[in-house]
Amino acid sequence: EAGVTQFPSHSVIEKGQTVTLRCDPISGHDNLYWYRRVMGKEIKFLLHFVKESKQDESGMPNNRFLAERTGGTYSTLKVQPAELEDSGVYFCASSRDSARSGYTFGSGTRLTVV
Amino acid sequence: GIQVEQSPPDLILQEGANSTLRCNFSDSVNNLQWFHQNPWGQLINLFYIPSGTKQNGRLSATTVATERYSLLYISSSQTTDSGVYFCAVRHISGNTPLVFGKGTRLSVIA
Repeated sequence: EAGVTQFPSHSVIEKGQTVTLRCDPISGHDNLYWYRRVMGKEIKFLLHFVKESKQDESGMPNNRFLAERTGGTYSTLKVQPAELEDSGVYFCASSRDSARSGYTFGSGTRLTVV
Repeated sequence: GIQVEQSPPDLILQEGANSTLRCNFSDSVNNLQWFHQNPWGQLINLFYIPSGTKQNGRLSATTVATERYSLLYISSSQTTDSGVYFCAVRHISGNTPLVFGKGTRLSVIA
């Protein structure tokens, strides 16, 4: 089966601009997760979708971040306006069953805000 | 929430050496995964191992769920093994997402 696909792989934007990251989960995986690793620190959870619904968005840092999953397929994560501290690697993962299955991660999007 | 501690935080190995990375967690889990983040930032899944032992080439992992720890063994290390190794767990309730440890940064030198 195809893996989790993230686009773009790299993005360099100026402070104050908007960036949209995209994630295509494995087909048939209802659960989709966003994580990020900033400034070489820990990998932190951002939010969890079950199909098109937000199951848990407790990790979203502030209202500059907006995630959507229209139709329960691919997801987008928009950062608007971007700040310097948003730089890092953003990972998307999907799983078939949130309680029993392992997570499959995409290759990540490296975001650099200058 | 559940706590995940990895040790050592940093490790430098000579090529060909063996190593053991440890992951301790504070509560019962129903998911434990080991990942390797390579120098390009990609997160590579190594093992899904909530319990038991698995092997894949030069890598193997053991999770003793009753004692709340997991070990990742790397044998005959190569320079391409360099990067950060993460352990991540999910609480047995299944109601919380995967929680990552801080990672072990491994540098393998020729």
